[in-house]
Amino acid sequence: AQSVAQPEDQVNVAEGNPLTVKCTYSVSGNPYLFWYVQYPNRGLQFLLKYITGDNLVKGSYGFEAEFNKSQTSFHLKKPSALVSDSALYFCAVRDGNAGKSTFGDGTTLTVKP
Amino acid sequence: NAGVTQTPKFQVLKTGQSMTLQCAQDMNHEYMSWYRQDPGMGLRLIHYSVGAGITDQGEVPNGYNVSRSTTEDFPLRLLSAAPSQTSVYFCASSYSRRENQPQHFGDGTRLSIL
Repeated sequence: AQSVAQPEDQVNVAEGNPLTVKCTYSVSGNPYLFWYVQYPNRGLQFLLKYITGDNLVKGSYGFEAEFNKSQTSFHLKKPSALVSDSALYFCAVRDGNAGKSTFGDGTTLTVKP
Repeated sequence: NAGVTQTPKFQVLKTGQSMTLQCAQDMNHEYMSWYRQDPGMGLRLIHYSVGAGITDQGEVPNGYNVSRSTTEDFPLRLLSAAPSQTSVYFCASSYSRRENQPQHFGDGTRLSIL
């Protein structure tokens, strides 16, 4: 069975500082990993996905994610945080059989001015 | 392109009532799914469909039914509402069930069961 874990419920950073939101995964085959963002009273929006072979993946709004196979991690990063980045972030893994996605519990990112 | 549209946005039901949550997408996506979101529990898969006429159960299917008579629509039915079904429900779609496809989400239906 596949799973993802987001070890931090909350991440707080100051505007302009780099941010990291952590995700670790467990899959039986090749990992197909995604990051989504959710703003209040909205659905999830796709940010980026892992493509096999690319250890650094670039996505929307200046976000990127670092894939580390040995640590089974896929951490979301941004070099300089904005107040508007404050939202709920989900890591997810999708299986190759029925296409089912498994989501982490989410991490609330707060960027303070 | 409206994307994924969910109706209603809010609903209050009494225990034992039934209702249907509507979901429609205009992207000709094969794959559609329903999730519920509860605080601190992420999203849990209720039911999914890999194409018209095909549905299957997810992680938490009890108390819910689905059908997929067209590619565009994927309604979720609550048979007899219970307070434990108070949640935010999200419908999502993707081009296919292939594992490298991201999902597109609607803005949710916020459901309260009294």
